[in-house]
Amino acid sequence: IVLTQSPGTLSLSPGERATLSCRASQSVTSSYLAWYQQKPGQAPRLLIYGASSRATGIPDRFSGSGSGTDFTLTINRLEPEDFAVYYCQQYGNSPLYSFGQGTNLEIK
Amino acid sequence: QLQLQESGPGLVKPSETLSLTCTVSGGSISSSSYYWGWIRQPPGKGLEWIGSIYYSGSTWTTYYNPSLKSRVTISVDTSKNQFSLKLSSVTAADTAVYYCARRDITMVRGVYSTFDIWGQGTMVAVSS
Repeated sequence: IVLTQSPGTLSLSPGERATLSCRASQSVTSSYLAWYQQKPGQAPRLLIYGASSRATGIPDRFSGSGSGTDFTLTINRLEPEDFAVYYCQQYGNSPLYSFGQGTNLEIK
Repeated sequence: QLQLQESGPGLVKPSETLSLTCTVSGGSISSSSYYWGWIRQPPGKGLEWIGSIYYSGSTWTTYYNPSLKSRVTISVDTSKNQFSLKLSSVTAADTAVYYCARRDITMVRGVYSTFDIWGQGTMVAVSS
């Protein structure tokens, strides 16, 4: 499954809402779609799994939605620490996994 | 609290074999609740899953990215609580940060999660 993320770069200000998209080339089994946040020099951090379940310790301003081939990560009230690169990942075709190319969320 | 730590050479010559080890602390690598994986990230680029290994029914099973399958071997050393990656015939295209990660396959509220714990990553450059 090929995952295509849009936009490539998103420029927003703190306090605004971010909407990131991930489109799959075929339906993702059982909505097994995850979102990760990655900051420079750090490993990815799991935010969302199962399309809409928040991982342990993730603030509720992060939310995921979608099914089939179209998925969205929404970040409400952007905080300065939210500016990073975000990746979607499908694991429905487990044991095989694939990642999107990433969306760079930058400060406007 | 489970932690992962990658180790291995930071420089490998073209055509040689890249070898990395991931040491698991705070938990057993032989738990049937976990999958273990390797993921890499070339400089300035995105993430690529390399392969995974897991223990079930007294057997270790491996799965590899089809694009790398002919060159990849993942194995386990239970006595050291480690799993390893070998990637043969490397080229400059294999230069990347290599991460090891854990996937907990325990279902939570009817949903399976994915890789939730990652090592810090180790940079491997392929150059003569």
